[in-house]
Amino acid sequence: DQQVKQNSPSLSVQEGRISILNCDYTNSMFDYFLWYKKYPAEGPTFLISISSIKDKNEDGRFTVFLNKSAKHLSLHIVPSQPGDSAVYFCAASAPGGSNYKLTFGKGTLLTVNP
Amino acid sequence: DGGITQSPKYLFRKEGQNVTLSCEQNLNHDAMYWYRQDPGQGLRLIYYSQIVNDFQKGDIAEGYSVSREKKESFPLTVTSAQKNPTAFYLCATGGHKQKVVRDTQYFGPGTRLTVL
Repeated sequence: DQQVKQNSPSLSVQEGRISILNCDYTNSMFDYFLWYKKYPAEGPTFLISISSIKDKNEDGRFTVFLNKSAKHLSLHIVPSQPGDSAVYFCAASAPGGSNYKLTFGKGTLLTVNP
Repeated sequence: DGGITQSPKYLFRKEGQNVTLSCEQNLNHDAMYWYRQDPGQGLRLIYYSQIVNDFQKGDIAEGYSVSREKKESFPLTVTSAQKNPTAFYLCATGGHKQKVVRDTQYFGPGTRLTVL
């Protein structure tokens, strides 16, 4: 049973436009969410995170929005650049002592066209 | 130069052989993790360790073993019991025990294992 779902396997946008990547979760215990970016044959790179006490977190071109009632979060990239083309993973974790386990979605391949 | 080192980048083994993947970190992180990534799949947790000499099974531990004798090192052995060992293996670190706020995991460059 997938607890973190990224329902769009791929997304294509034009350079300069907004990219919106979506993520849904089912486990109501999740209270910390992260987005990672991954290039082929490399390890994922941490992008941005958000705690459930917030509904928005911004870092430069990247903004993550959290809608707890809908169990939904999204990553907005504005403006999109060709170098943003990569697979984006959504991840979530639940509190539990010092157990920092992350549950990942299957990823969304973002292609930014020049 | 701080970071996470995984070696080698590419590894080939014959079916039936055990193989050990290396993961070293100098970030002084307490926790270390092993994931595998398959095409079209997310990252699935194999094993994790929060302190030296202690580790726990993740979601897909069958056919794998680990050790954590030093804080800096968390090697993963893929045994012949693992049915589908060909995959991209990722090591991650994170979690300073002193921190109250949950920490982020940071990933190494990965090892592509191909079993022939």
